[in-house]
Parts: sequence; C-alpha cells; structure tokens
Amino acid sequence: AAGVIQSPRHLIKEKRETATLKCYPIPRHDTVYWYQQGPGQDPQFLISFYEKMQSDKGSIPDRFSAQQFSDYHSELNMSSLELGDSALYFCASSPSPRLEQYFGPGTRLTVT
Amino acid sequence: AQTVTQSQPEMSVQEAETVTLSCTYDTSESDYYLFWYKQPPSRQMILVIRQEAYKQQNATENRFSVNFQKAAKSFSLKISDSQLGDAAMYFCALRGGGSEKLVFGKGTKLTVNP
Repeated sequence: AAGVIQSPRHLIKEKRETATLKCYPIPRHDTVYWYQQGPGQDPQFLISFYEKMQSDKGSIPDRFSAQQFSDYHSELNMSSLELGDSALYFCASSPSPRLEQYFGPGTRLTVT
Repeated sequence: AQTVTQSQPEMSVQEAETVTLSCTYDTSESDYYLFWYKQPPSRQMILVIRQEAYKQQNATENRFSVNFQKAAKSFSLKISDSQLGDAAMYFCALRGGGSEKLVFGKGTKLTVNP
C-alpha cells in the first residue's frame, strides 16, 4: 500500500539558513499534518491543512510557514534556523472523515 | 486543555507473554478519539489501534487490544503473545473532536526479551 512520502529524509543546515521540507500524502487523502519530534520527546503538532486551507495550528514558530498545494502535497518552510530546530519532522495524512493519521518516515533536520 | 499521561517510562516482557501499557488522559470534550502508536528504532510512527469515545466496545486488532474505561479516563493497551518485533516506543495519543491535532503522551519503551 502507498504510504506518505517525505523528502528529503535527512537535511543538514547551518544556523540562520532556511529549509524546505516536502510531504506527499497517501493518494486520496485530503488532510495533511506536520509534527516536530525533538530528541527523546513526543511528537508536537505544528499545523494542519484540509483541502488546501489551514485547518488547525499548534506550537509552530513564526519563523515557520506551511501550505498545501492543489495536488495535496504540502511544504513546510523554515527560516532563520536555530540549533533548537534540530528534530525529526513528521508529516501525516488522513482521508475524510479524518479519523486516523498515517505518518510518513520523517525528515531528520540537523542544524549546526 | 487536553493531556495524556503514560506513567511507565519503560516496560519489559518475555517473548510469547502478555503485557499491558497504561495511559490516562484528560479532556473536556465529549467527542474524542484515542490511539496507540508504535515507534520502532527506525523512528517510523505506526498506528496500532484506534478507539472512538462513543463506542463502549473495546477495540481489537489481532494481538493488540485496549481496555477503555471512559469514566476513569483510562486507555490501556494489551499486547498478547509478544514478539521480538513488538519492541518499540509506544505512544498513547488523544484527538478531541473539535481539533485536528494529536496530543501524545511521553511514551513507554517496551523491551521484549527472548
């Protein structure tokens, strides 16, 4: 079965640089979610999109922005990166009626 | 605010035995969903089981079952016939009916001993 695709899988950036993470949901899933998991932590919800509109917002820094495109893929843009942004970033997708969230393999971001 | 508490940071079980992971939660919503996710060393988050709050019947998926006690706000996961591949971090998660986000507990690391 098709799964959520995230790219890149690994990313190394320096402080103050920008990064763009991409997420391709499972076919026919119309909702995308972004989570951040720091080392030894539980995942924290950042933001979600349903039918290309922001549907919920969590603890996403102002330096981060995201959007969902017409083909339902989503991008998380991160600017002015800080050391504390080093984490595993998950994208998840869900079909309507949005009961379950299926996670991608994650993008490991390291900020040096 | 919604909170999820997993009071067991680590658990261990012998292969083929049964183990129960505990989870308690708090929410003011009447409509909500509870989940258990498994995160093996690969760090992939894998959905194990889902429970709707309005359903009295406990969810079951093969060797995995839950004990949902709504009044006590308790949602434990039972793994029967434990296998080496069950070794992972297990996260309990809550989603309120009016929200998109999953709120996770801190996780329980399960070790399966051969």
